[in-house]
Amino acid sequence: EAGVAQSPRYKIIEKRQSVAFWCNPISGHATLYWYQQILGQGPKLLIQFQNNGVVDDSQLPKDRFSAERLKGVDSTLKIQPAKLEDSAVYLCASSFGITIYFGEGSWLTVV
Amino acid sequence: QQQVKQSPQSLIVQKGGISIINCAYENTAFDYFPWYQQFPGKGPALLIAIRPDVSEKKEGRFTISFNKSAKQFSLHIMDSQPGDSATYFCAVPRGGGGADGLTFGKGTHLIIQP
Repeated sequence: EAGVAQSPRYKIIEKRQSVAFWCNPISGHATLYWYQQILGQGPKLLIQFQNNGVVDDSQLPKDRFSAERLKGVDSTLKIQPAKLEDSAVYLCASSFGITIYFGEGSWLTVV
Repeated sequence: QQQVKQSPQSLIVQKGGISIINCAYENTAFDYFPWYQQFPGKGPALLIAIRPDVSEKKEGRFTISFNKSAKQFSLHIMDSQPGDSATYFCAVPRGGGGADGLTFGKGTHLIIQP
């Protein structure tokens, strides 16, 4: 069974530029999450989708972050404009039931 | 906002020894307590989880112990091996029914010395 796919794996951008990350969840998983993991910390939930609807985006900095999940499958997370403190790993995850499966993450460095 | 406190922050154990990592939570609407393992450059992966109809669950060298009254649970790694060197995260459900994602602890960086 294929896992959660993410791209790009690595991205370096200058502050105030924009970046987009893509995620393809495990087939059949209705729930999709984007987590932010800053170096040395645990993952922090940014947004949760159920099919193509947003369940929880309370911790998403909406002035610069946006996410969508069209057709209830793939998802994109966009940051515009990026700040230095956005340097982190962006983890996409999906679940069917209680177990959450993570992708390998997209590493963002903002310089 | 659910708080999850994990300790220690880092741990060094000799090969063959027992590694113990602890987690404390404030409250949860759904009893499900997982531990995730993360290797450098990889995403976290579920290692073991417990639903507290039991106080302990064992899978191979890994054991979760749960104390509901104290709101604590712990991970024990018996006969620790160098391949166990990784970062470990405990987590608790964010909402009822377990369908609202997880809140993670800050992680424990475990090093097993040969």
